Amino acid sequence: KQEVTQIPAALSVPEGENLVLNCSFTDSAIYNLQWFRQDPGKGLTSLLLIQSSQREQTSGRLNASLDKSSGRSTLYIAASQPGDSATYLCAPRTPHDMRFGAGTRLTVKP
Amino acid sequence: DAGVIQSPRHEVTEMGQEVTLRCKPISGHNSLFWYRQTMMRGLELLIYFNNNVPIDDSGMPEDRFSAKMPNASFSTLKIQPSEPRDSAVYFCASSLAMGQPYGYTFGSGTRLTVV
Repeated sequence: KQEVTQIPAALSVPEGENLVLNCSFTDSAIYNLQWFRQDPGKGLTSLLLIQSSQREQTSGRLNASLDKSSGRSTLYIAASQPGDSATYLCAPRTPHDMRFGAGTRLTVKP
Repeated sequence: DAGVIQSPRHEVTEMGQEVTLRCKPISGHNSLFWYRQTMMRGLELLIYFNNNVPIDDSGMPEDRFSAKMPNASFSTLKIQPSEPRDSAVYFCASSLAMGQPYGYTFGSGTRLTVV
């Protein structure tokens, strides 16, 4: 069974900082890895999807990298804004399912 | 596309009552997943279907939980009888195909409170 770990569990930064969220997983036989954002009391919004053959994926201020062989992914957020405050979840997908990490709760202070 | 549609958005019920949660996946998606989210355990995969057939229900907590997918556009998750510890947010997600490198799309969830 895939085990997914996200570090740090919580992060509080001032507006404008660049930051990195980390995700590690135990089963490297993945098809892809998806990063989601979840606002309090809301559902999950997909941010980025990286295929197993890719090294990174970018969308605006977000950049996600994937090192499948070592079981790691990072989400880089550039020039953070208060609107980025949310919980960020990573989810590697194997041929059989998709498991989630516990998430990183991000707070960006104005 | 309307996305994954879940109903109801909120459900409050008394212990011992039957609860039915509903999900309509994105048209054309043939894989459907039910997740449960709590503060203590995070997001847990309960069961998933491929082409309307249950593939893995090992995450279903007890016999009180059951899920069906009678057709490609509808699935239900039923809890009978419900207990206070079942209180959680239940999410449904769909994907184009199992065993393929597609992403998941989640519904907005059903917040269940059992009193």
